[in-house]
Amino acid sequence: AQSVTQLDSQVPVFEEAPVELRCNYSSSVSVYLFWYVQYPNQGLQLLLKYLSGSTLVESINGFEAEFNKSQTSFHLRKPSVHISDTAEYFCAVTEGSNTGKLIFGQGTTLQVKP
Amino acid sequence: DAGVTQSPTHLIKTRGQQVTLRCSPKSGHDTVSWYQQALGQGPQFIFQYYEEEERQRGNFPDRFSGHQFPNYSSELNVNALLLGDSALYLCASSRLALSSYEQYFGPGTRLTVT
Repeated sequence: AQSVTQLDSQVPVFEEAPVELRCNYSSSVSVYLFWYVQYPNQGLQLLLKYLSGSTLVESINGFEAEFNKSQTSFHLRKPSVHISDTAEYFCAVTEGSNTGKLIFGQGTTLQVKP
Repeated sequence: DAGVTQSPTHLIKTRGQQVTLRCSPKSGHDTVSWYQQALGQGPQFIFQYYEEEERQRGNFPDRFSGHQFPNYSSELNVNALLLGDSALYLCASSRLALSSYEQYFGPGTRLTVT
């Protein structure tokens, strides 16, 4: 069965500092990987996704994630965070042949301090 | 272009009662998935509807049922409510024919069972 583990429940960081949110998955088949962000009292927004091709994927607001098949990881990074990045971040996986069921991690709260 | 909409925003019910939550998918989308997000947890997949039929189902009891209408909107019904059903219920829509595997989430319905 697939599963997703987000290794940090909370990550406090100062503004303009770099950050890494860690995500590991387990699956016996090929997977597609996603990072979603959830701001307070809102639904989830897709931040970035890996389907195939380059293992490094980027979002429009400066986040990037790298798919590492050998380590079954999909860590999220940003070189310089802003106060507005404060939110809950969820890593998710779905099987390559399955277009429906997303399996989410427990989430990581990113707290950006001034 | 309206995104995914859900109603109501908040709902308070008593144990044993029944509840119906509603979702309208993003324009052009034909598939609706429902997720339950307990406080401090990642979303968990309940089921997915396509062409008015349940296409996939997660590990939820039969008390959870759904429906999809010809206009692709969907309802989630929960019978015999338990305190543990208190959660944020998220609806996500997608277009099955696309290979982007991207799901768009609504803002959610916050259900409180007392």
